[in-house]
Amino acid sequence: NAGVTQTPKFQVLKTGQSMTLQCAQDMNHEYMSWYRQDPGMGLRLIHYSVGAGITDQGEVPNGYNVSRSTTEDFPLRLLSAAPSQTSVYFCASSYYFGTANTEAFFGQGTRLTVV
Amino acid sequence: QQQVKQSPQSLIVQKGGIPIINCAYENTAFDYFPWYQQFPGKGPALLIAIRPDVSEKKEGRFTISFNKSAKQFSLHIMDSQPGDSATYFCAASMQTGANNLFFGTGTRLTVIP
Repeated sequence: NAGVTQTPKFQVLKTGQSMTLQCAQDMNHEYMSWYRQDPGMGLRLIHYSVGAGITDQGEVPNGYNVSRSTTEDFPLRLLSAAPSQTSVYFCASSYYFGTANTEAFFGQGTRLTVV
Repeated sequence: QQQVKQSPQSLIVQKGGIPIINCAYENTAFDYFPWYQQFPGKGPALLIAIRPDVSEKKEGRFTISFNKSAKQFSLHIMDSQPGDSATYFCAASMQTGANNLFFGTGTRLTVIP
């Protein structure tokens, strides 16, 4: 059982370049989300989705786009990379019942450096 | 601003010691408080979670203590082992918040053999 798979694991971008971080889950989870992890700041929510065709912004959405065309996939797009987006990005998924919180499963992370 | 405050930033204990990590929150709408464990190069993994209708939850060597009136909760690791060396994050979410988690800043635990 693969769980949550993120690709790539490492990426170096030049300022102004765009790229897509991929996230796929095989647990049929309705809820998927993207977090960024920075030293001393914990994990902060970028965007999330409670089902195919539904997305919303989290705490730090600026500079990122998402879409959810299938239950399995939730790609994160950086439109024009900036050094401030240097971070480790984590995708997470969970069941979503709307009435109770459930365990979130995280991917292995993508370490992104913007130079 | 940080919705969940976590301390200490780092902690070093001897094997067999009982490290304690503390978290505090302000938003009374939070109703789910998980702890995540993260090893270097890996994603966070759920360790234990508590809801505010109980004051304590124990799973193996890990215990969460929860004080609803003080809006504080803590993680205790009994008989700590070198394999427990990791970064620990507390978090909080609310029933109406679509499973979105608000994380503390993390505590790096080192257990010395």
